Amino acid sequence: QVQLVQSGAEVKKPGASVKVSCKASGYTFTSYYMHWVRQAPGQGLEWMGIINPSGGSTSYAQKFQGRVTMTRDTSTSTVYMELSSLRSEDTAVYYCARVNSLNTYNWFDPWGQGTLVTVSS
Amino acid sequence: DIQMTQSPSSLSASVGDRVTITCRASQSISSYLNWYQQKPGKAPKLLIYAASSLQSGVPSRFSGSGSGTDFTLTISSLQPEDFATYYCQQSYSNSFGQGTKLEIK
Repeated sequence: QVQLVQSGAEVKKPGASVKVSCKASGYTFTSYYMHWVRQAPGQGLEWMGIINPSGGSTSYAQKFQGRVTMTRDTSTSTVYMELSSLRSEDTAVYYCARVNSLNTYNWFDPWGQGTLVTVSS
Repeated sequence: DIQMTQSPSSLSASVGDRVTITCRASQSISSYLNWYQQKPGKAPKLLIYAASSLQSGVPSRFSGSGSGTDFTLTISSLQPEDFATYYCQQSYSNSFGQGTKLEIK
């Protein structure tokens, strides 16, 4: 079955960087785009960006431009999201989510289990 | 940017009730609208895509409607497992509504 398994929780100091991984299985990795979404404690969902695992092209939400980098490793079917210059407001659960599409419509399914990133001095 | 506004932000209802949640887009998004359910500590789960298409495996008591700027998610007869937070998402630029928390009355 299609599965996305993310790396474990991280604790980082302000100003540091974090790199979260998302390993895909059960489908052809390069055939489906992947998104990253985050959720601060008690808050809603916030879209961060998208990566095409085939060619590696990316598109980021304006809010994260210059601080986020999404990459992939096709040999291990893994996508990565690195966020730099961390601040306390970046404390959140970070999710990867695969795109599914039909005609011109697309949606996120499935999602990874989430990775909690805590930024604290 | 396309802003998504859900109403209400929270809702109390009883098992067996019919519930409707509304999502409004700041500009027309045709039918590029998805609905997700999220339970505490879990990842969101897709319920409805393309405004009205039921995801495989999702109970038929869930339905979606609308196009353009106004959309609704309806649960025809609430079950205990439906108490959760619901999010709409537009798939033009992928922003989400702020969520609607559905609680037991």
